[in-house]
Amino acid sequence: AQSVTQLGSHVSVSEGALVLLRCNYSSSVPPYLFWYVQYPNQGLQLLLKYTSAATLVKGINGFEAEFKKSETSFHLTKPSAHMSDAAEYFCAVSDEGSGNTGKLIFGQGTTLQVKP
Amino acid sequence: DTAVSQTPKYLVTQMGNDKSIKCEQNLGHDTMYWYKQDSKKFLKIMFSYNNKELIINETVPNRFSPKSPDKAHLNLHINSLELGDSAVYFCASSQDSRASYEQYFGPGTRLTVT
Repeated sequence: AQSVTQLGSHVSVSEGALVLLRCNYSSSVPPYLFWYVQYPNQGLQLLLKYTSAATLVKGINGFEAEFKKSETSFHLTKPSAHMSDAAEYFCAVSDEGSGNTGKLIFGQGTTLQVKP
Repeated sequence: DTAVSQTPKYLVTQMGNDKSIKCEQNLGHDTMYWYKQDSKKFLKIMFSYNNKELIINETVPNRFSPKSPDKAHLNLHINSLELGDSAVYFCASSQDSRASYEQYFGPGTRLTVT
């Protein structure tokens, strides 16, 4: 069965510092992995996705993530945090193991706080 | 133009009432979803329709009934509302039901049951 674990429910960084949000997944077949961002009182917006084309995936707003099969990880990074990055971040996994349903399994989310 | 829209944005109602949430997407997608986000912000899939056919039906009380009149619309009807139904409900759509396709989310409907 698929699962996603996001280590750290709350991450605080200073403006300009490196952002690292951790995500580990479990999947019995090759996974598709996604990072979404949720700003307060809004829906989820896709930051980036991994679909086996390249292990280093670049997304919007300067974010990127690296798929590491040996570590079953898909951590999200950004070299320099902006105040506008403060939001809730969700890692999600889907795969074709349970049929073509597009079912997304989400991690519990990480709140990113950016301090001035 | 809003890609995935939901109405209403806020819904406050009393226990025992019946309510509906509507969702529309103008992306030309084949697949639509309903998710529930609880007070701890945990997101869980409830239902999915592909070309008006139900393809995901998670363990959800049968008081919840989705309906898809066409590919662009997916509604959620909830009977006999309970306090535990209070949550934010998100509609989403994707090009089709393949696992590799990303989902586009609506703005959410915040349901409060008193």
